[in-house]
Amino acid sequence: DTEVTQTPKHLVMGMTNKKSLKCEQHMGHRAMYWYKQKAKKPPELMFVYSYEKLSINESVPSRFSPECPNSSLLNLHLHALQPEDSALYLCASSQDIVAEYQETQYFGPGTRLLVL
Amino acid sequence: KQEVTQIPAALSVPEGENLVLNCSFTDSAIYNLQWFRQDPGKGLTSLLLIQSSQREQTSGRLNASLDKSSGRSTLYIAASQPGDSATYLCAVTAGGTSYGKLTFGQGTILTVHP
Repeated sequence: DTEVTQTPKHLVMGMTNKKSLKCEQHMGHRAMYWYKQKAKKPPELMFVYSYEKLSINESVPSRFSPECPNSSLLNLHLHALQPEDSALYLCASSQDIVAEYQETQYFGPGTRLLVL
Repeated sequence: KQEVTQIPAALSVPEGENLVLNCSFTDSAIYNLQWFRQDPGKGLTSLLLIQSSQREQTSGRLNASLDKSSGRSTLYIAASQPGDSATYLCAVTAGGTSYGKLTFGQGTILTVHP
């Protein structure tokens, strides 16, 4: 099974709402990632988790809060978002994050987020 | 700072044609280079990964080459089909980092018409 699943597929929220995006993988991967992708642009890295610990935060605003409850799950909690945060949010996983040994990253289908 | 450029930005070809997508990167200190495919509104699918010590990788009708010293990679698609229509993204894993950060190009939008 090389699948990364994400829920929900689509999400519409107001600027005062609190919502969460979920990501799950059962490949035994120890590294998980959140990316943000705007229309017609490549994905931009937001967070990297390694062995359930936050390793990298690419200067993401605090209105985005990641959480890794266990080795298979990754959440992204959203609060007080702005309309410019509307984008496709992609989750990915890989065997490890050590660059020298990194295998490919497996991406989920994404959550399409619209902030009104 | 690593920069990745893909040429052309868009390509439209008739079915059956062989085609080449180009990717260049500014810093040759990379661990690997990957080619991904993305269908509209969907996630990314990894097509080929070339380690920095390798020169090429093949999978079916796809062949990717890597010339690390010149900072170039090409993705060759043989006998293109309408189902190949998608955005193709090139990404490098930069050396000198403790984690595998991917730096993406802007992508090439491929349309194969019947």
